[in-house]
Amino acid sequence: DAKTTQPNSMESNEEEPVHLPCNHSTISGTDYIHWYRQLPSQGPEYVIHGLTSNVNNRMASLAIAEDRKSSTLILHRATLRDAAVYYCILRGTLNQAGTALIFGKGTTLSVSS
Amino acid sequence: NAGVMQNPRHLVRRRGQEARLRCSPMKGHSHVYWYRQLPEEGLKFMVYLQKENIIDESGMPKERFSAEFPKEGPSILRIQQVVRGDSAAYFCASSPGLAGVRNEQFFGPGTRLTVL
Repeated sequence: DAKTTQPNSMESNEEEPVHLPCNHSTISGTDYIHWYRQLPSQGPEYVIHGLTSNVNNRMASLAIAEDRKSSTLILHRATLRDAAVYYCILRGTLNQAGTALIFGKGTTLSVSS
Repeated sequence: NAGVMQNPRHLVRRRGQEARLRCSPMKGHSHVYWYRQLPEEGLKFMVYLQKENIIDESGMPKERFSAEFPKEGPSILRIQQVVRGDSAAYFCASSPGLAGVRNEQFFGPGTRLTVL
């Protein structure tokens, strides 16, 4: 899996949007961009994934640059419960179904009330 | 539909004892992964199993660690002769194993192992 680069930490206020960036300049054409997050003292949970087009789900939006060398996870209205470590991970479609997730250090998001 | 279950949630062992960590995947999932998170570090892949088979154990320490996923029952991560450096949170994840592009992994709450 290709390497991703994320800021170590970010801060936000409650009810405000949060943009979490991820750089993946060596991404291949078959790599999907996945985001997971880990709340304190819990296991990671899937957030969203995409290939080329922007994606939306109930948790977040994913904006992917046209050259795919970077992406941004968008939380539209941060809540205290969104305080977590957010991981940006590349997954190749050529992978067999069971390839492990390769976690980096992620971005620690703090949310203030 | 119950999620991934792990037990025990907390486990305390003395140096030299054995630790057995259990993981029950989500219903219908045939693929199990184990990850370890050392204090103040990120998650590291250990092993990937399908029913009765180890598919990828490239992240497993060469000695004292073993894993299985029998035809019946939970997956077991076994650590023999534990040392203080084994103290960590151990997470299990499962997936349905479909060859889809989403390939989401569902994580359990983890087992926190403390070695005295």
